[in-house]
Amino acid sequence: GNSVTQMEGPVTLSEEAFLTINCTYTATGYPSLFWYVQYPGEGLQLLLKATKADDKGSNKGFEATYRKETTSFHLEKGSVQVSDSAVYFCALSGPASGGSYIPTFGRGTSLIVHP
Amino acid sequence: DTGVSQDPRHKITKRGQNVTFRCDPISEHNRLYWYRQTLGQGPEFLTYFQNEAQLEKSRLLSDRFSAERPKGSFSTLEIQRTEQGDSAMYLCASSVPGTGHSYTEAFFGQGTRLTVV
Repeated sequence: GNSVTQMEGPVTLSEEAFLTINCTYTATGYPSLFWYVQYPGEGLQLLLKATKADDKGSNKGFEATYRKETTSFHLEKGSVQVSDSAVYFCALSGPASGGSYIPTFGRGTSLIVHP
Repeated sequence: DTGVSQDPRHKITKRGQNVTFRCDPISEHNRLYWYRQTLGQGPEFLTYFQNEAQLEKSRLLSDRFSAERPKGSFSTLEIQRTEQGDSAMYLCASSVPGTGHSYTEAFFGQGTRLTVV
């Protein structure tokens, strides 16, 4: 079945540092890939997405490129802010066994940014 | 449309009691999902509806859990004879079908936090 593996946290950075959160996936066919962000006590919000190989999703200074050859979708940001502190989830949606299209999530990576 | 709405936001119940949660998806979304999330973990799939049909349930889902979506609009998730291990955040999400090889994102509600004491 489909699965997502992302790096364990927490990731602790100083403000304006460069951020990378690694994500790799296993899937049948050609899934769409997503990054979600979750702030304390809240549900998940879509951060960015990519629907085909070599697509780059971007939003709020975050970027991720769909790499089919390495089955990866790493999240990057050039200069993080304290307000970026949250939990980030990598996810995919695509055909799974039995024909379902249920979104599948990684375990999440906590990001803590210090002033 | 204000997005996916869940009610209640918080629920504290005694072990052995039944609880029911409600989810109102975005109005034009025909797909609805329930997930469970525990501290430090990602959302774990529970069940999935397309319109009023429940198409898939997690094999890990206990028989004490049941969900409905009677008219293809709102959905309810009921947990019977709650146990302390049921304490978690219960998330509802909805989506529309994708087109071609593009699969659309799920839009999440703010969740219902269940505490079983």
